Amino acid sequence: EAGVTQFPSHSVIEKGQTVTLRCDPISGHDNLYWYRRVMGKEIKFLLHFVKESKQDESGMPNNRFLAERTGGTYSTLKVQPAELEDSGVYFCASSQWDRAVDGELFFGEGSRLTVL
Amino acid sequence: GNSVTQMEGPVTLSEEAFLTINCTYTATGYPSLFWYVQYPGEGLQLLLKATKADDKGSNKGFEATYRKETTSFHLEKGSVQVSDSAVYFCALSDRLLSGSARQLTFGSGTQLTVLP
Repeated sequence: EAGVTQFPSHSVIEKGQTVTLRCDPISGHDNLYWYRRVMGKEIKFLLHFVKESKQDESGMPNNRFLAERTGGTYSTLKVQPAELEDSGVYFCASSQWDRAVDGELFFGEGSRLTVL
Repeated sequence: GNSVTQMEGPVTLSEEAFLTINCTYTATGYPSLFWYVQYPGEGLQLLLKATKADDKGSNKGFEATYRKETTSFHLEKGSVQVSDSAVYFCALSDRLLSGSARQLTFGSGTQLTVLP
């Protein structure tokens, strides 16, 4: 069974440019989450989808970040325009509904974003 | 709000040494506690978990006991191997009244390097 896959693995862009990160969850997982780790600090929650609906987006830092999940399958996270402080590793995770109750999430390898 | 504090790394040990990575938490309610591990080039993986006070989670020789009185969940292993070199994250998930879990709250991670 394929795990959670993220693309690209590493992106280097200049301040003011746009970047789109993609996440393909494990097939059949209705719950999809985005997290990020900035400057080697703690991993912080960004948002949570249940199928195509945003269940909780309380962690989104500002309106430069836009997340979508078309048809409840893959998800994209767009940063526009990117700022220096957006540099970090963006993790995607997925889970089946009943496993999300216990917080057991399956994570991807992460997409490293470097903003110059 | 919820928070997790981990001992700062990096930690460097010789093979077969004893490992302790400290983790303390602050949470309302009755959180579930987790240790996640990220091996080089891989995504975060759930290592072990404990869902109530005095529970002991264990996996791959690692153990952690949920101590409500000290709000701690320290990770231990009696004899580390080179293959244990990774970043370890302590995390908690707090249940909402509805029964569904909130998002995970992570610590800042501890880099472990085991030398042969």
